[in-house]
Amino acid sequence: AQSVSQHNHHVILSEAASLELGCNYSYGGTVNLFWYVQYPGQHLQLLLKYFSGDPLVKGIKGFEAEFIKSKFSFNLRKPSVQWSDTAEYFCAVNARNNAGKSTFGDGTTLTVKP
Amino acid sequence: DAGITQSPRHKVTETGTPVTLRCHQTENHRYMYWYRQDPGHGLRLIHYSYGVKDTDKGEVSDGYSVSRSKTEDFLLTLESATSSQTSVYFCAISESKAGANVLTFGAGSRLTVL
Repeated sequence: AQSVSQHNHHVILSEAASLELGCNYSYGGTVNLFWYVQYPGQHLQLLLKYFSGDPLVKGIKGFEAEFIKSKFSFNLRKPSVQWSDTAEYFCAVNARNNAGKSTFGDGTTLTVKP
Repeated sequence: DAGITQSPRHKVTETGTPVTLRCHQTENHRYMYWYRQDPGHGLRLIHYSYGVKDTDKGEVSDGYSVSRSKTEDFLLTLESATSSQTSVYFCAISESKAGANVLTFGAGSRLTVL
């Protein structure tokens, strides 16, 4: 079975601070990795994904994530956060050839203070 | 936009009553999913479908049933609602994007069981 662990439940930053949200997964096979974001009052939307190739992937709004296979990690980063980045962030994994079933972490709530 | 519509968007019901949530998609996607979102638990898969009349259980399927008689509709039924089923329910479809199965979510259905 696959599982996902997000290290931080709630992160509070000031605008322009750098962000790194941790994500580790547990699965013995080949996986796809995702970060989804849920802005206040909205549904989840894809921020970025890793399928194969370059382990450093770039997503929307200046976010990026690095897949480190040896550490089973897929941490999310942004060099300078904005107030509009206030949201809940979910790391997710799905195994290849598994009907697209995704397992989510518990989520990290990011609050950016202006 | 995957054209996912959930109904109802909000519902308050009493313990012991049956409840059906509907997910409708307009783009003929094969895979559909029902997740529930609870604080501190992220999203957890309830049931999923891989085609008409083809469904399977997720990690938190107890107390829920699903049906898919048409490609476009995926119904989630709580036969006898309990307070522990108070949650926000998200329907999702899966589509392949650059090799990875990415989920696209509906707007959610907020269910309160009194």
